[in-house]
Amino acid sequence: GDSVTQMEGPVTLSEEAFLTINCTYTATGYPSLFWYVQYPGEGLQLLLKATKADDKGSNKGFEATYRKETTSFHLEKGSVQVSDSAVYFCALSGAGSYQLTFGKGTKLSVIP
Amino acid sequence: GAGVSQSPSNKVTEKGKDVELRCDPISGHTALYWYRQSLGQGLEFLIYFQGNSAPDKSGLPSDRFSAERTGGSVSTLTIQRTQQEDSAVYLCASGGGVKGGEAFFGQGTRLTVV
Repeated sequence: GDSVTQMEGPVTLSEEAFLTINCTYTATGYPSLFWYVQYPGEGLQLLLKATKADDKGSNKGFEATYRKETTSFHLEKGSVQVSDSAVYFCALSGAGSYQLTFGKGTKLSVIP
Repeated sequence: GAGVSQSPSNKVTEKGKDVELRCDPISGHTALYWYRQSLGQGLEFLIYFQGNSAPDKSGLPSDRFSAERTGGSVSTLTIQRTQQEDSAVYLCASGGGVKGGEAFFGQGTRLTVV
């Protein structure tokens, strides 16, 4: 079945540092890929998405590129802020499926 | 409504009692999901509804858990004879019912079984 593996946290960075959160997936065909973010005490929000190979999703300074050859969708941000502290979830939806499959989440803490 | 609405936001119940959790999806969304998030854990899929099709119940952890969706809109997740291990945040999401599409989440219901 479909699965998502993302780097385990927690990740602690200083403000303005570069962020990478790794995500790889297993799925048949060409799934859609997502990053969701959960700020403290809140529900999940869609951060960005990509629906086909080589697509780059971007939002709020975050980017992720759909790499079919490495089955990856790594999340990056050039300069993190304290307000980016949250839990980040990588997810996929199979091309022939309605179901969303999530990774275990990576907690990011950004310190001033 | 503007987003997915869940109620109650918090629920404390005694072990052995039944609880009902409600989800109002985004208007027009045909897909509705329930997930469970335990402390420090990721999201555990519970059940999925799509239009008038039979729901995908493959994630329900036991027969104490059930869910229904009335009129293709509001959904209720029922947990019978609650146990302490049921304590978690229960998240509802809705989507446009497109294969490969994203889902939009509510704020969740935090269930505590004492």
